[in-house]
Amino acid sequence: QSALTQPASVSGSPGQSITISCTGTSSDVGTYDLVSWYQQYPGKAPKLIIFEVSKRPSGVSYRFSGSKSGNTASLTISGLQAEDEADYYCCSHEGRPTVLFGGGTRLTVL
Amino acid sequence: QVQLQESGLGLVKPSETLSLICKVSGYSVTNGYLWGWIRQPPGKGLEWIASLDPGWRTHYNPSLKSRVTMSVDTSKNQFSLSLTSVTAADTAVYYCARLAHDVRGSETFFYHFDYWGLGALVTVSS
Repeated sequence: QSALTQPASVSGSPGQSITISCTGTSSDVGTYDLVSWYQQYPGKAPKLIIFEVSKRPSGVSYRFSGSKSGNTASLTISGLQAEDEADYYCCSHEGRPTVLFGGGTRLTVL
Repeated sequence: QVQLQESGLGLVKPSETLSLICKVSGYSVTNGYLWGWIRQPPGKGLEWIASLDPGWRTHYNPSLKSRVTMSVDTSKNQFSLSLTSVTAADTAVYYCARLAHDVRGSETFFYHFDYWGLGALVTVSS
């Protein structure tokens, strides 16, 4: 059971847009529209920001959006703000059933 | 408001058993969601450990399955995790969470973790 693949780090300047990729396989991301994304600040619990590929929970900023193409899901943050600096994790259902997480991406706002 | 709170010993000796409880408030554990455990070693990423469904069937991470047991106590509205034969590699922050899901026929689909506990650090050391 391999983790989903995310870049270790991404960065952007305030106001810019960034995209974090999450690559899986045809056994998980490629087959199921059950990709979720979590934001985690240091020392805090993860927070759900995207579910079912592109849906936003109530209270999550419209600046966060999700998409999927083939075996790769993506999280885009537009209008980057200093408060977006955090770790981001993708997650997917896998058919056994199990849950797979990505290795996490550290977002730095320059 | 759904709230989850982990509790248990913060220090466990190698080869012994790690035990944690997740107390749920604001929602009944019998009310149709799955419940799960996720861990995060210091400075590392998230790893799903186990989930328990409304029929009290358990689903385990294959890499941990031989050492993990998850159970529920409906009278106390809580669920628990037991991990045997621990080593230093099991040192982590352990989170409990509520897991949205669907069942279609005989197949269970895991959706997303929508509520999380604050986490409990468990250190494995002699």
